[in-house]
Amino acid sequence: EVQLVESGGGLVQPGGSLRLSCAASGFTFSSYWMSWVRQAPGKGLEWVANIKQDGSEKYYVDSVKGRFTISRDNAKNSLYLQMNSLRAEDTAVYYCARDRAAIWAIDYWGQGTLVTVSS
Amino acid sequence: DIVMTQTPLSSPVTLGQPASISCRSSQSLVHSDGNTYLSWLQQRPGQPPRLLIYKISNRFSGVPDRFSGSGAGTDFTLKISRVEAEDVGVYYCMQATQFPLTFGQGTKVEIK
Repeated sequence: EVQLVESGGGLVQPGGSLRLSCAASGFTFSSYWMSWVRQAPGKGLEWVANIKQDGSEKYYVDSVKGRFTISRDNAKNSLYLQMNSLRAEDTAVYYCARDRAAIWAIDYWGQGTLVTVSS
Repeated sequence: DIVMTQTPLSSPVTLGQPASISCRSSQSLVHSDGNTYLSWLQQRPGQPPRLLIYKISNRFSGVPDRFSGSGAGTDFTLKISRVEAEDVGVYYCMQATQFPLTFGQGTKVEIK
């Protein structure tokens, strides 16, 4: 069974940093692209970033470029999102998700971790 | 960026009746490889999203056959043939033809 478990969310002040982690199990992690997708309270879904199987390609939504960094450790079956210079508008539930490159769809999602940026 | 526009934003439906959601993209979703990477997701209250349909019309594993997708180019539709109580939630279309991946605003399906 595919499982994605996020951690690392919490309350942070504007301008602060946070690192999210995602522990993957139930599939060959190193064979899949992986994404982070966020959802502000009461709002829709926004794709944040994704990373290729070997980490050689990374893509970001414009609003986080230069502030967020996606990375992975295939030996640990883990995905990360380093978030710097956080803003109030980054407040959201952050989902770790698996990309299925053959069909270019996001086929499995974690339960999410809440990040609140507030003073 | 490709903008995805869904209509309606809210859809009150009687149990057992059909429901239909439209999704329009600001540019063609046909990829250079010939595929169209348009998917549909369901988000039940308090739950993460779940993949229903990929590449316009292919049902994902375990998805009931009352869900179907259709369309081409810039216009796509998700249909639920007979709405059941467990179908309540928000439905999103998503394009993965071009980075950044983008979602529609979501359509809330509720029971009348």
